[in-house]
Amino acid sequence: AQSVTQLDSQVPVFEEAPVELRCNYSSSVSVYLFWYVQYPNQGLQLLLKYLSGSTLVKGINGFEAEFNKSQTSFHLRKPSVHISDTAEYFCAVSERTGRRALTFGSGTRLQVQP
Amino acid sequence: DARVTQTPRHKVTEMGQEVTMRCQPILGHNTVFWYRQTMMQGLELLAYFRNRAPLDDSGMPKDRFSAEMPDATLATLKIQPSEPRDSAVYFCASGLVLRQGLTDTQYFGPGTRLTVL
Repeated sequence: AQSVTQLDSQVPVFEEAPVELRCNYSSSVSVYLFWYVQYPNQGLQLLLKYLSGSTLVKGINGFEAEFNKSQTSFHLRKPSVHISDTAEYFCAVSERTGRRALTFGSGTRLQVQP
Repeated sequence: DARVTQTPRHKVTEMGQEVTMRCQPILGHNTVFWYRQTMMQGLELLAYFRNRAPLDDSGMPKDRFSAEMPDATLATLKIQPSEPRDSAVYFCASGLVLRQGLTDTQYFGPGTRLTVL
């Protein structure tokens, strides 16, 4: 079984400032890692994913994340945020083999202020 | 631009009524997932299918929920009878599992917002 912990439920930040959204996971098997974004009243959109290879993963909208196996973390970063980045961000994991369903964290609400 | 579609987008019903939600996965995808999102529980898996066969429905209340894939282009989630605690947003997602040890992205539909009065 897996679990995902997103340590911050809300992160307020000013426009053009950098941001980091934290994600830690726990699993007894190897996993894939994902970040999804949810805008109000919409579905989830994939930001980026780590399957294998380089531990620094670049995604859409200028976001990137780094997989740290020893710390079981997959933190999401953006060097300069925009008002349009205001949304809910979900970290998720799935097993590499067998059960492929996503296990989600509780989400982090990013609030970008002018 | 291929997308997962879900109908209806919104549904308001009274306790005890049957509710059917439909999902059309992306053409060619072989895996379909149903998730539920609530404020209290967050996003949780209800069921998922591979090549139309149910693989895991452990997240569903068995006495009232049922999920099926009549064909490769349609997945359904039914609640009978519905209860106020079923009020949530229900998401369908589809993906392509290529082979053992490799998985593709799950693409989410816009969701069905269910309110049971």
